[in-house]
Amino acid sequence: DAKTTQPPSMDCAEGRAANLPCNHSTISGNEYVYWYRQIHSQGPQYIIHGLKNNETNEMASLIITEDRKSSTLILPHATLRDTAVYYCIVPPRNAGNMLTFGGGTRLMVKP
Amino acid sequence: SQTIHQWPATLVQPVGSPLSLECTVEGTSNPNLYWYRQAAGRGLQLLFYSVGIGQISSEVPQNLSASRPQDRQFILSSKKLLLSDSGFYLCAWTLGANVLTFGAGSRLTVL
Repeated sequence: DAKTTQPPSMDCAEGRAANLPCNHSTISGNEYVYWYRQIHSQGPQYIIHGLKNNETNEMASLIITEDRKSSTLILPHATLRDTAVYYCIVPPRNAGNMLTFGGGTRLMVKP
Repeated sequence: SQTIHQWPATLVQPVGSPLSLECTVEGTSNPNLYWYRQAAGRGLQLLFYSVGIGQISSEVPQNLSASRPQDRQFILSSKKLLLSDSGFYLCAWTLGANVLTFGAGSRLTVL
């Protein structure tokens, strides 16, 4: 996978926007950026993915820079239930749908 | 709708004993299936993946094995457990995109 770099941990106040950055400077032109999260003692959950345009769904927004070397996952109104480890993944096109999960960012939403 | 089931949810096994974890998917056909492991405080490690009945690929050499006897059934086994096999085992499926759906996991403690 293209190497991704995420801060190991972040805090966010409940009700505020959580902005989780990811650096993927070695990304290739046809590789997508995927975001998953893992709440404690549960399996990872898919959040969103994108190629070069910004994406939004019911869970989050994904902002990808124009050079595609970094992206930001935005949780617009974080709740306590959003406390989790967030993984940014860039699988190579020939990965055969095998995702490699790195360390991720541990987001702590505080009241 | 598609669902994924894993069992048992938790188990405690002595060193040297056998292991069998089962995963089944409902509501879909010919899924790609995956086994991941997460050791305590560590990241997710891909162990096995399968693109069809009887087709298993191993990512990490170890004393574990996987089998896919039916299209929607994926089994993780060991003949003799080691202490280092303790962890949280997760089954996942996808229909070919990098959007994986994970099961609830099986927590194994080897004593």
